[in-house]
Amino acid sequence: AQSVTQPDIHITVSEGASLELRCNYSYGATPYLFWYVQSPGQGLQLLLKYFSGDTLVQGIKGFEAEFKRSQSSFNLRKPSVHWSDAAEYFCAVGTYNNAGNMLTFGGGTRLMVKP
Amino acid sequence: DAGVIQSPRHEVTEMGQEVTLRCKPISGHNSLFWYRQTMMRGLELLIYFNNNVPIDDSGMPEDRFSAKMPNASFSTLKIQPSEPRDSAVYFCASSPRSEQYFGPGTRLTVT
Repeated sequence: AQSVTQPDIHITVSEGASLELRCNYSYGATPYLFWYVQSPGQGLQLLLKYFSGDTLVQGIKGFEAEFKRSQSSFNLRKPSVHWSDAAEYFCAVGTYNNAGNMLTFGGGTRLMVKP
Repeated sequence: DAGVIQSPRHEVTEMGQEVTLRCKPISGHNSLFWYRQTMMRGLELLIYFNNNVPIDDSGMPEDRFSAKMPNASFSTLKIQPSEPRDSAVYFCASSPRSEQYFGPGTRLTVT
């Protein structure tokens, strides 16, 4: 069965600093990988996704993520964090078959941004 | 596109009462998912449908929970009778193929 680990429960960065959120997955085949963001009181919003091809994927809001098969990782990065990026971030691995798609989510990383 | 629509956004009810949560998926999406989110347990998949048919309900906590999808544009999650431990945010998500799109959630409080 697939699983996702986000080792950092909380991260605090200063506004303008770079950001990297870690995600490790366990899955027997080539995974579909996703990052979602959840602002307080909101649903989860899709930031970016990886299915195949270029291992560096670009998403919304200036985020990018890099798939590294050898490390079973899919870390999220942003070169310069804005105060509005404070939220909870979820990594997920997806399985797709004829019955549809299921996502397995990590436990989330809460990002706080210092002024 | 209005996105996934959930109603109500907030529900406060007394223990023992029936609660019905509603979801309208994005038009054209053929999969629908119900999740529950709590501080203690994080995000849990309760049940998902593909082409209106329940595929996996192994996440439904107990018989008090039931879900239906009578057509492609509507689904309900019912809790009967409700208990305080059911207090959580319930999300509905729909999917065209791989990625899922989430609704804003229903915050349920059972007193």
